[in-house]
Amino acid sequence: AQRVTQPEKLLSVFKGAPVELKCNYSYSGSPELFWYVQYSRQRLQLLLRHISRESIKGFTADLNKGETSFHLKKPFAQEEDSAMYYCALNNAGNMLTFGGGTRLMVKP
Amino acid sequence: DVKVTQSSRYLVKRTGEKVFLECVQDMDHENMFWYRQDPGLGLRLIYFSYDVKMKEKGDIPEGYSVSREKKERFSLILESASTNQTSMYLCASSSTGRGFGAFFGQGTRLTVV
Repeated sequence: AQRVTQPEKLLSVFKGAPVELKCNYSYSGSPELFWYVQYSRQRLQLLLRHISRESIKGFTADLNKGETSFHLKKPFAQEEDSAMYYCALNNAGNMLTFGGGTRLMVKP
Repeated sequence: DVKVTQSSRYLVKRTGEKVFLECVQDMDHENMFWYRQDPGLGLRLIYFSYDVKMKEKGDIPEGYSVSREKKERFSLILESASTNQTSMYLCASSSTGRGFGAFFGQGTRLTVV
């Protein structure tokens, strides 16, 4: 069975501080990992895909198969980054499983 | 732009009622999903459909059923609504190709009284 774990329910940082939102997964096959973000009163939207190795809004995430992790990082947090962040895993059969989510609060 | 549209934004139903939540996507996606979103529990998969008339149970299928008679439409059915099914319900769709991710609807907040 596949599982995604986000150990922190809430992460609070000051503006300009570095941010790391943790995500660990368990899956026996070749995983496909994503980060999704939900801003207040908006629908859930895709932020990052591990397969593209891109940087979006200053966020990056690297898949570490040895540690089975896909942590989301940003060197300098902005107030507009405050949102709910979800890590998700897509299995070979295209079933998408989410973690419990981390609420990021960036204080001025 | 991909559009995933859920039929209602807010819904209030009585205990024991049969409830239908409808979702339509316009991008010819093979896969469709129903999740419920609860504070502290994240998104939990109820059902997943990878083709017309095909479905797989997710993590919490009890008390729910689904219907996918057409590729663009995926319905979630609560056969006999209960108060513990009060939640935000999210529909999503995705392509079978690797790496594209899923697109979500705006959500339906269901309250069962």
